[in-house]
Amino acid sequence: GAGVSQTPSNKVTEKGKYVELRCDPISGHTALYWYRQSLGQGPEFLIYFQGTGAADDSGLPNDRFFAVRPEGSVSTLKIQRTERGDSAVYLCASSFRGTYNEQFFGPGTRLTVL
Amino acid sequence: AQKVTQAQTEISVVEKEDVTLDCVYETRDTTYYLFWYKQPPSGELVFLIRRNSFDEQNEISGRYSWNFQKSTSSFNFTITASQVVDSAVYFCALSGGDNYGQNFVFGPGTRLSVLP
Repeated sequence: GAGVSQTPSNKVTEKGKYVELRCDPISGHTALYWYRQSLGQGPEFLIYFQGTGAADDSGLPNDRFFAVRPEGSVSTLKIQRTERGDSAVYLCASSFRGTYNEQFFGPGTRLTVL
Repeated sequence: AQKVTQAQTEISVVEKEDVTLDCVYETRDTTYYLFWYKQPPSGELVFLIRRNSFDEQNEISGRYSWNFQKSTSSFNFTITASQVVDSAVYFCALSGGDNYGQNFVFGPGTRLSVLP
């Protein structure tokens, strides 16, 4: 079956612009996660959805970051007023139910803020 | 707060050598889950194993084995007879279970290079 997909694969934007990153999880997976990975580092947790609601958004760095999952499947990560420090690979993962289960990762979106 | 430490930043071995990747964790949860993921050069993270805090049995899967010791808060990963295809970054991760599915944290990773 299809794995986790993320679009776009690459996004280049200018400082101050708004961006949206999309994640399409594996069908039937109720849990969805967003991470940010900078070069040479481990994935940094941003937010976790269980169904439509954010079960844990403690990793969002500030109020410029926001994520939604309105129908409990596709999720969009939104970043307002982008800064150069937001440049990273944004990873999405999904799992069946909670974080105690194996997470399946997408290929990531590489965001570059000029 | 939960924390995962992988003290080895980079390891290089020659093919067929055995190699152990260390993972030390910190948590206040009584129920938690430990994971290892592999990130090959292609970039996508791949799940390798999951362990819950009540199961300290070591596990072997082919050339891979894992040693979980609660007494030292460690969950080490050994690759026997390493191969070039094992070259990747390996991440240890921890999920706290007391608050249904919250607090998922990755370690910084260990880059393993297996030379032919």
